[in-house]
Amino acid sequence: QKEVEQDPGPLSVPEGAIVSLNCTYSNSAFQYFMWYRQYSRKGPELLMYTYSSGNKEDGRFTAQVDKSSKYISLFIRDSQPSDSATYLCAMTGDNAGNNRKLIWGLGTSLAVNP
Amino acid sequence: NAGVMQNPRHLVRRRGQEARLRCSPMKGHSHVYWYRQLPEEGLKFMVYLQKENIIDESGMPKERFSAEFPKEGPSILRIQQVVRGDSAAYFCASSPPSGGAPTGELFFGEGSRLTVL
Repeated sequence: QKEVEQDPGPLSVPEGAIVSLNCTYSNSAFQYFMWYRQYSRKGPELLMYTYSSGNKEDGRFTAQVDKSSKYISLFIRDSQPSDSATYLCAMTGDNAGNNRKLIWGLGTSLAVNP
Repeated sequence: NAGVMQNPRHLVRRRGQEARLRCSPMKGHSHVYWYRQLPEEGLKFMVYLQKENIIDESGMPKERFSAEFPKEGPSILRIQQVVRGDSAAYFCASSPPSGGAPTGELFFGEGSRLTVL
């Protein structure tokens, strides 16, 4: 069993839909949770960062962490064609500055259709 | 304001040849990370370097792979005697001296795509 599981999709939604992207994990020591967005043929870029449990909102994006279920989610409201990308979750139990200990999901490919 | 610069973007090699991938971190960043990405494996950490020092190479294959980050110039990932299984996208990322704390943000380049024939 992988430490981080993420459904690779692809996920296809119409413009304006609410998108839910998820990751599950097995290591209860994970405390720092991130979502990166990767456009085709580009490098990943940090989208959202959450420490421990709870929600964090940034514009149309909401990151949610449920440590009791070992489950994290990224919600995208009013999805736009420009949101079409691969979304990768990443997490670690170490101090957030210890980037090499990040454990990555495989990424979910999202297509938002106009 | 240049981000992380990687070159070449695409590299084709025949089995047995050498591949050299270069990475210049963002201005002011002193930490460099190399990752390999395959569709079925996701992003895999390879090595973490600071200027003139390899800090963690626990993700590097023991043979044929090496990395350096000299005092002057870019970081280089070197793959000797390439095999077909080395075909992948290789990403370089950088972070500031703080390691990117508290978010741990990594700034990625656009990647170098190696194809081994």
